[in-house]
Amino acid sequence: QKEVEQNSGPLSVPEGAIASLNCTYSDRVSQSFFWYRQYSGKSPELIMSIYSNGDKEDGRFTAQLNKASQYVSLLIRDSQPSDSATYLCAVNQAGTALIFGKGTTLSVSS
Amino acid sequence: DTEVTQTPKHLVMGMTNKKSLKCEQHMGHRAMYWYKQKAKKPPELMFVYSYEKLSINESVPSRFSPECPNSSLLNLHLHALQPEDSALYLCASSHLLVNEQFFGPGTRLTVL
Repeated sequence: QKEVEQNSGPLSVPEGAIASLNCTYSDRVSQSFFWYRQYSGKSPELIMSIYSNGDKEDGRFTAQLNKASQYVSLLIRDSQPSDSATYLCAVNQAGTALIFGKGTTLSVSS
Repeated sequence: DTEVTQTPKHLVMGMTNKKSLKCEQHMGHRAMYWYKQKAKKPPELMFVYSYEKLSINESVPSRFSPECPNSSLLNLHLHALQPEDSALYLCASSHLLVNEQFFGPGTRLTVL
């Protein structure tokens, strides 16, 4: 069974720190990897997508993918209280739908 | 236009009612999805349409009936729901099945 694993948290970091969120997946043929942010009561918002090994940076966010280790991570630099949310890792194998992890709750204290 | 819209935002219905949820996108995406999300859980896939054809049905009870009238619209018809069907119903779209999905704001459904 295809699985995506995340620590549920909560992950607590002080304002200005780096938050590191991790995700592992079981299906080696997975091709597309996504991070979504979801505020309480709202819908998921796509913040990063990554398709090849290495790092991808977008503003304060960096996604890292290691297909050999079946591992994808999200770093949030200079964390802000507004970053407090649940972060969902999602994995897609060609021709199938997204498989979501259970999400990691991030709390950034001011 | 990079938005997925959903109506209504909130819906309260009895177990004998028939109602429909609507979703629309104008991004030219050819894949559209229905998800159900309960509190503190990840979205749970219900249906996938690809090029207006149903490609995935995740063993959803027949009281949920999807419809894709055209490439921009997706409906979810509801009939004889149970209180445990109360949840946030999310629509999403993507260019193709392998691409990133964009979610609408969701419909908060309460079944009495």
